[in-house]
Amino acid sequence: NAGVTQTPKFQVLKTGQSMTLQCAQDMNHNSMYWYRQDPGMGLRLIYYSASEGTTDKGEVPNGYNVSRLNKREFSLRLESAAPSQTSVYFCASSEPGEYEQFFGPGTRLTVL
Amino acid sequence: QQPVQSPQAVILREGEDAVINCSSSKALYSVHWYRQKHGEAPVFLMILLKGGEQKGHEKISASFNEKKQQSSLYLTASQLSYSGTYFCGTPRNSGNTPLVFGKGTRLSVIA
Repeated sequence: NAGVTQTPKFQVLKTGQSMTLQCAQDMNHNSMYWYRQDPGMGLRLIYYSASEGTTDKGEVPNGYNVSRLNKREFSLRLESAAPSQTSVYFCASSEPGEYEQFFGPGTRLTVL
Repeated sequence: QQPVQSPQAVILREGEDAVINCSSSKALYSVHWYRQKHGEAPVFLMILLKGGEQKGHEKISASFNEKKQQSSLYLTASQLSYSGTYFCGTPRNSGNTPLVFGKGTRLSVIA
């Protein structure tokens, strides 16, 4: 089992460019999440998908869109990247409720 | 509402003990603990539920005081491998809702 995989691992964008971060899990989990991590800020939820076919905003959704493509895959799109979106992005999956989340290795994104 | 963790950082020598606290201004239904080593993804440690149930993989001790709306993680006889940043997370609301994480406590264990 690969667990949660993310692509790419690193990315540099120029302001205004767009890109999609990919996430896939092979644990048959219903819930998937996108977080961003900035120094001293902890993990902040961008969007989540409680189950296939549903998505909801988290704490910091502005500037992002998501797609739950199927049960395995949950993508995060930056339509017009801004320097404030420079961060490390983690995808995670879990069963709904009081269950552990499994995190992917992260994508380090720099917007110039 | 983001839970508040204390201390923000702590340095220990091998074998020493530490306590990391997590408190909330609203009612807690559960507290989730994760550890993140430098440059890696967060890894699950344990969940503490109302009523005293605990779920976890690690031999780490923790408490959950529902009345005080806080949880504490006890790291005893610390090892070098305990180094990392510890995060607590609490559900946004009751039931199946996503977690809100604290800002983390950085623990450094030195020889």
